[in-house]
Amino acid sequence: GENVEQHPSTLSVQEGDSAVIKCTYSDSASNYFPWYKQELGKGPQLIIDIRSNVGEKKDQRIAVTLNKTAKHFSLHITETQPEDSAVYFCASAFSGSARQLTFGSGTQLTVLP
Amino acid sequence: SAVISQKPSRDICQRGTSLTIQCQVDSQVTMMFWYRQQPGQSLTLIATANQGSEATYESGFVIDKFPISRPNLTFSTLTVSNMSPEDSSIYLCSVRLQGISGNTIYFGEGSWLTVV
Repeated sequence: GENVEQHPSTLSVQEGDSAVIKCTYSDSASNYFPWYKQELGKGPQLIIDIRSNVGEKKDQRIAVTLNKTAKHFSLHITETQPEDSAVYFCASAFSGSARQLTFGSGTQLTVLP
Repeated sequence: SAVISQKPSRDICQRGTSLTIQCQVDSQVTMMFWYRQQPGQSLTLIATANQGSEATYESGFVIDKFPISRPNLTFSTLTVSNMSPEDSSIYLCSVRLQGISGNTIYFGEGSWLTVV
C-alpha cells in the first residue's frame, strides 16, 4: 500500500521567515496531495491541495510543489506569522479509488515572535 | 466545502463503557469516513461508513469494537465499545466532496475522548 514520509517532524522559524515541509510518497498511482493544518484542540483544516496534472499551486502565502518523477511534494509558507504555528500533515490519495487518504506523520511548526 | 458537526466534542468516559459519536453534514455526501488520532500521532482510517449497508473496516479495526451506522447521506455514528484507556483519542468524521477539478476531503472538529 501507499506510504507517505514527512520531514521534518518539528520546525522552528522566526516570524517573517519561510518554512518548508517535505513529503515523499511510494505509490506512483497517487494523484491527489492535500495539506492539512491542525491547531491545538481542533480538527484538520484543508489549507491547500494539488493534483498530479500541475506542478505548483499558490494561495497567498502558501504554495505547494509536486515532483511526480521523484514522488515528492512540498509545502512552502512565506512571511510566517505566529498564527501559522500548528501541526501540518501531508497526505496522498488515488482519487479514482474509494480508498481514503494516507497521511504523513506530521510537522509541528513553531513561529517565534 | 462542507460544514461537519460532531457530538460530543469532548468527553471523559469510564473504563468498560461505550460511547456513540455523531457526525452531521450540511449537505448530502456519498462518502463518509471515520478516523482515529491517538495523542501526538497522525490520523488512521477506521472505516468507511456506507449508507444502507455495513461499514468497510480497515485492518486492525473490527465491527464489534467500532460499530458504525449511516442511515442517510448526511449522518453517521461511530460507537467506541467497551472502552479502555488505550481508546483515548480524537475521533474524526470525514467526508469526500466531488468538485469540478476532483474530489476533496474535509474533516470535522473531532471528538476528544479520554478513558479513565
